Amino acid sequence: RKEVEQDPGPFNVPEGATVAFNCTYSNSASQSFFWYRQDCRKEPKLLMSVYSSGNEDGRFTAQLNRASQYISLLIRDSKLSDSATYLCVVNGWAGTALIFGKGTTLSVSS
Amino acid sequence: NAGVTQTPKFRVLKTGQSMTLLCAQDMNHEYMYWYRQDPGMGLRLIHYSVGEGTTAKGEVPDGYNVSRLKKQNFLLGLESAAPSQTSVYFCASSSLVEGSRTEAFFGQGTRLTVV
Repeated sequence: RKEVEQDPGPFNVPEGATVAFNCTYSNSASQSFFWYRQDCRKEPKLLMSVYSSGNEDGRFTAQLNRASQYISLLIRDSKLSDSATYLCVVNGWAGTALIFGKGTTLSVSS
Repeated sequence: NAGVTQTPKFRVLKTGQSMTLLCAQDMNHEYMYWYRQDPGMGLRLIHYSVGEGTTAKGEVPDGYNVSRLKKQNFLLGLESAAPSQTSVYFCASSSLVEGSRTEAFFGQGTRLTVV
């Protein structure tokens, strides 16, 4: 089993749609979780951290289920500018590294 | 505030040549990472460092060496470049706060072609 797994997509949705991405991780000792966004040929940038109680940032909502080792990202009211690849990232304890999923590609069309 | 800076941004090498990629961060981060990104493969960890003078292997370390002589710099070396090392290389750094890793900040990437 890969350490971090994501559905690669692509997800093709119209503007205004709600779309959800899922991610599973294998290391139950992982402590930190993030969603990153990567635009074509650019470096990844932090979209949001994921907290145990779930958190929201505008149209974006992240959830963490430690028991199932599952992370999700919900995007509401999709915009054309949301088109990108979304990367699930999991950290372990000190001494272990950032582990990235392969990413889920989103394409929002008008 | 520069954040994470990678040099060079582009490079073409001939098979067998050597080169060093430099990553510099000005955020006093303990952790630094080198990744490569290939189409359909996502970001794969090459080597990483948890502090000055320490390095560790990641998922795809073969053909690469690293050094972290100073906290702010993390060097990635290719001793004898091969076409399979054609890729986009990203450096990143992060910190540790209360036992949890903070977000990682990335450099802009180095596009390396080996012919």
